[in-house]
Amino acid sequence: DAKTTQPPSMDCAEGRAANLPCNHSTISGNEYVYWYRQIHSQGPQYIIHGLKNNETNEMASLIITEDRKSSTLILPHATLRDTAVYYCIVRVGRWGGSEKLVFGKGTKLTVNP
Amino acid sequence: DSGVTQTPKHLITATGQRVTLRCSPRSGDLSVYWYQQSLDQGLQFLIQYYNGEERAKGNILERFSAQQFPDLHSELNLSSLELGDSALYFCASSVAPTSGINEQYFGPGTRLTVT
Repeated sequence: DAKTTQPPSMDCAEGRAANLPCNHSTISGNEYVYWYRQIHSQGPQYIIHGLKNNETNEMASLIITEDRKSSTLILPHATLRDTAVYYCIVRVGRWGGSEKLVFGKGTKLTVNP
Repeated sequence: DSGVTQTPKHLITATGQRVTLRCSPRSGDLSVYWYQQSLDQGLQFLIQYYNGEERAKGNILERFSAQQFPDLHSELNLSSLELGDSALYFCASSVAPTSGINEQYFGPGTRLTVT
């Protein structure tokens, strides 16, 4: 699975959009980008995933660059409850072998009132 | 609420002891994963079971073992506990979609403190 690089921390004002970047320059064609978050010692929470097209769900939007070397998770109207560590994970979209998730250090997002 | 349950929430025990952590996956999920989160190591994959069979192992210590039962719940057994085993232990579950997309749903974790 390709490695990812994320900034260690970011701040965002409540009500504003939070844009969390992730670099995955060695991603291969069959690898998906996943985002999870962990709110203070709770279990990680799945947010969204994508392959090459932009994706949106009720929680967030995922923008993947055309060359797929980077992506941005967008929380459109951040609230205090979005304060968490956000993990960008790249892994092969294949059922076979291990489906483990490899977590890096993530980005600590702090939403300020 | 992810639908994954873990018991107990907290566990305090002494070095050298043995403990069992329990996980019930979401209804319909066949895969169970165990992860360990300590302050210095972050979230680390330990082991995965699929429909009762071991599917993959991470850096799981020989003192640790796990199994998945016919009703799909799983147990993680930790023995000869050391201070360094103090950590949060998370269980996650997922279905086995043929597409290969793997959304894992995590339980609330068990906080183990070894004194």
